[in-house]
Amino acid sequence: SAVISQKPSRDICQRGTSLTIQCQVDSQVTMMFWYRQQPGQSLTLIATANQGSEATYESGFVIDKFPISRPNLTFSTLTVSNMSPEDSSIYLCSVTGLPPYNEQFFGPGTRLTVL
Amino acid sequence: KQEVTQIPAALSVPEGENLVLNCSFTDSAIYNLQWFRQDPGKGLTSLLLIQSSQREQTSGRLNASLDKSSGRSTLYIAASQPGDSATYLCAVKGDQTGANNLFFGTGTRLTVIP
Repeated sequence: SAVISQKPSRDICQRGTSLTIQCQVDSQVTMMFWYRQQPGQSLTLIATANQGSEATYESGFVIDKFPISRPNLTFSTLTVSNMSPEDSSIYLCSVTGLPPYNEQFFGPGTRLTVL
Repeated sequence: KQEVTQIPAALSVPEGENLVLNCSFTDSAIYNLQWFRQDPGKGLTSLLLIQSSQREQTSGRLNASLDKSSGRSTLYIAASQPGDSATYLCAVKGDQTGANNLFFGTGTRLTVIP
């Protein structure tokens, strides 16, 4: 299994500002995933962060709005830039466990409220 | 594209009752299926993982079944407790390579009444 921690656990931010969310995993992983969960909705994949290369963004998400860093195999950050109230969501970091199970593990989430 | 549906969207039961949550998916070409629990405002906790070759998995009072050919999974909770109150999410992992191959249902919000 993988143990994932995220910082901050929650934050309240003003419109137009940016917030950087940190994700730390207790083991080395190739890919780290960032998800968004808007109120009352299920999870949507924002991007996949690979160490040593640019993140891969899903349709509807762009690097200027959600820049991602992946400096090593256990750490990643997601920045939510120029925030608006529509960015109020839970942001979750996730990794996939080892084959053959490929179990998915999630961090505790960052609950963001934008005023 | 894989679509995952969970029924019911919400369920309220008295403490001690046994209950079943349902998950259906449209593409049977899956690698595995996972059931998660999510408390309000929190992350996801993995409950059970079923590989595509398996029919069921058990953990304590929880039992998950998988019928891949019919595109269905159930999560059975025995002797429900107030602490079981949470949203339960079903997620299907496709067997194709690539990062975006995990598909979530919209969840069932369970309330167990003391």
